[in-house]
Amino acid sequence: QQQVKQSPQSLIVQKGGISIINCAYENTAFDYFPWYQQFPGKGPALLIAIRPDVSEKKEGRFTISFNKSAKQFSLHIMDSQPGDSATYFCAASDRSNYQLIWGAGTKLIIKP
Amino acid sequence: KAGVTQTPRYLIKTRGQQVTLSCSPISGHRSVSWYQQTPGQGLQFLFEYFSETQRNKGNFPGRFSGRQFSNSRSEMNVSTLELGDSALYLCASSFPPHNEQFFGPGTRLTVL
Repeated sequence: QQQVKQSPQSLIVQKGGISIINCAYENTAFDYFPWYQQFPGKGPALLIAIRPDVSEKKEGRFTISFNKSAKQFSLHIMDSQPGDSATYFCAASDRSNYQLIWGAGTKLIIKP
Repeated sequence: KAGVTQTPRYLIKTRGQQVTLSCSPISGHRSVSWYQQTPGQGLQFLFEYFSETQRNKGNFPGRFSGRQFSNSRSEMNVSTLELGDSALYLCASSFPPHNEQFFGPGTRLTVL
């Protein structure tokens, strides 16, 4: 019940296209859902995060869509650019335990 | 504010040896988490320390241990190294109750 399932494992998108990465969870106590971006040789960095009181959050070209009833959330990258090529991780946590539960990661490649 | 620093950045050891990795969190952050990342794998949670106490622990053997000092700096130790311990070890700090974790660049450990 503590798992966060992330898909796909890898994704290739043409420049200018939309990249979509999905995550699903079981624990209904989760109330914080971040996405992290990791470039080769670097540690992950927070990209965008959402709490379940909203269904969507947008920051520039990055949008989180959250479906509480389906227990799913997804990252959309609009107008994908080669510089977006990285590994993306979703995660979740609840207030009683600040430990983040991580998805397995998605390697995104944007083809020029 | 200075970011999370990890030392050393690279380390080569042989099987059977032990190793100690160091992490200095962002000033004011009292929580430090450690992760193991292997090629193509996600982030495997090792443990989390808060105010010098281990608050959460992942599913790793007892060869992996850690501690946190009064200044929030943390160390992790791996004894009796195995080839499979070769990985990138990431440290992340946070300031509860905020969930965002700030990662260091990692220590690349190679076991020969």
